[in-house]
Amino acid sequence: DAGITQSPRHKVTETGTPVTLRCHQTENHRYMYWYRQDPGHGLRLIHYSYGVKDTDKGEVSDGYSVSRSKTEDFLLTLESATSSQTSVYFCAIRGQSVLSGANVLTFGAGSRLTVL
Amino acid sequence: ILNVEQSPQSLHVQEGDSTNFTCSFPSSNFYALHWYRWETAKSPEALFVMTLNGDEKKKGRISATLNTKEGYSYLYIKGSQPEDSATYLCAPGPRDDKIIFGKGTRLHILP
Repeated sequence: DAGITQSPRHKVTETGTPVTLRCHQTENHRYMYWYRQDPGHGLRLIHYSYGVKDTDKGEVSDGYSVSRSKTEDFLLTLESATSSQTSVYFCAIRGQSVLSGANVLTFGAGSRLTVL
Repeated sequence: ILNVEQSPQSLHVQEGDSTNFTCSFPSSNFYALHWYRWETAKSPEALFVMTLNGDEKKKGRISATLNTKEGYSYLYIKGSQPEDSATYLCAPGPRDDKIIFGKGTRLHILP
């Protein structure tokens, strides 16, 4: 799907354990994003990256860290997972649409995380 | 944090009827506005990116307008069909990199 994959797609973990979600792209796009989906909140931005080793916080960054050591991979880490971090996490890349020419987000399929 | 409001939160429309909904944002320091369609159990997909005051974009039965001076964008759907049932998200921003979405308008098309 437009060269973006997320792994794992599903994960169940326990409170207090570390979790890392991976976003991998084959499009060589500079910008990558992590969002979380929650009922009543739509999509909320956690962190984003504008290049290798360049990242910035979003709306709900507390409890999350990210790393981008190479263009193709953007990792989201929950150092000590809590039940409030149960959610579906979407990665997105930003690049030029072949249809419109505009810079748009292309989303991965999502990673469903359950923290017990 | 940019104050983005989408209204209504939820909308039920009879199949065949036309409808519209709104994305409101602070008019100062505007750069671009994105519209996305998000079907249940799928990933969001881009509809439009708009940058200029007075911009109008169209994709099939869906169109959008932009008023940056007063800080709003309308999304219109003409002759609603069941496949239009989705959540429609807007992301207006003062910057091109930090893309923050509104809470969305959830559209239900009634047969």
